[in-house]
Amino acid sequence: DVKVTQSSRYLVKRTGEKVFLECVQDMDHENMFWYRQDPGLGLRLIYFSYDVKMKEKGDIPEGYSVSREKKERFSLILESASTNQTSMYLCASSSRLAGGQGDTQYFGPGTRLTVL
Amino acid sequence: AQSVTQLDSQVPVFEEAPVELRCNYSSSVSVYLFWYVQYPNQGLQLLLKYLSGSTLVESINGFEAEFNKSQTSFHLRKPSVHISDTAEYFCAVTGTGFQKLVFGTGTRLLVSP
Repeated sequence: DVKVTQSSRYLVKRTGEKVFLECVQDMDHENMFWYRQDPGLGLRLIYFSYDVKMKEKGDIPEGYSVSREKKERFSLILESASTNQTSMYLCASSSRLAGGQGDTQYFGPGTRLTVL
Repeated sequence: AQSVTQLDSQVPVFEEAPVELRCNYSSSVSVYLFWYVQYPNQGLQLLLKYLSGSTLVESINGFEAEFNKSQTSFHLRKPSVHISDTAEYFCAVTGTGFQKLVFGTGTRLLVSP
């Protein structure tokens, strides 16, 4: 089974802190994604990566950055956390081998981040 | 650009009753459609997907969805729900070429005895 793990299930940080959210997948997937999930807004894409050291902005990249130094690991960084970044953060991965479009994204369990 | 509309934010239903969760999409290119399910305190899992071929697709736990190009819809149905189907359901669309998934806002299915 594909497994996507996230470093923490729950995280509490203070305003202004630098926050790192880690995601690891074990299926050698090329593509990795970071979303935030908020009630009534569904999932919104923050950043994605289709290869090591490659990254693309999603719909809401402001206030976030990412790092992909190894194929299996994709990190989301909040440079200076703010209260409006309190949310559920979901990581996902998918394979590119079957042609790109239509590939299933596999999700981690999520990290619920609270910024005080 | 693509978008997905899930008009119902919450659908309450009694156990063993049928249910339909609605999903409409807009896209200027050929689409690939997905339903994901999120059980409480878990990440999202793929329920079913339409890529091509038969417009009716089924999941292993009794859900089905029909791709209707003329109505730009991909509604999810189950003839008889169980308590364990209580979850949030997300419809998503992507298109030709590598494109990101665009998700709807989700529908919370609440099944009561």
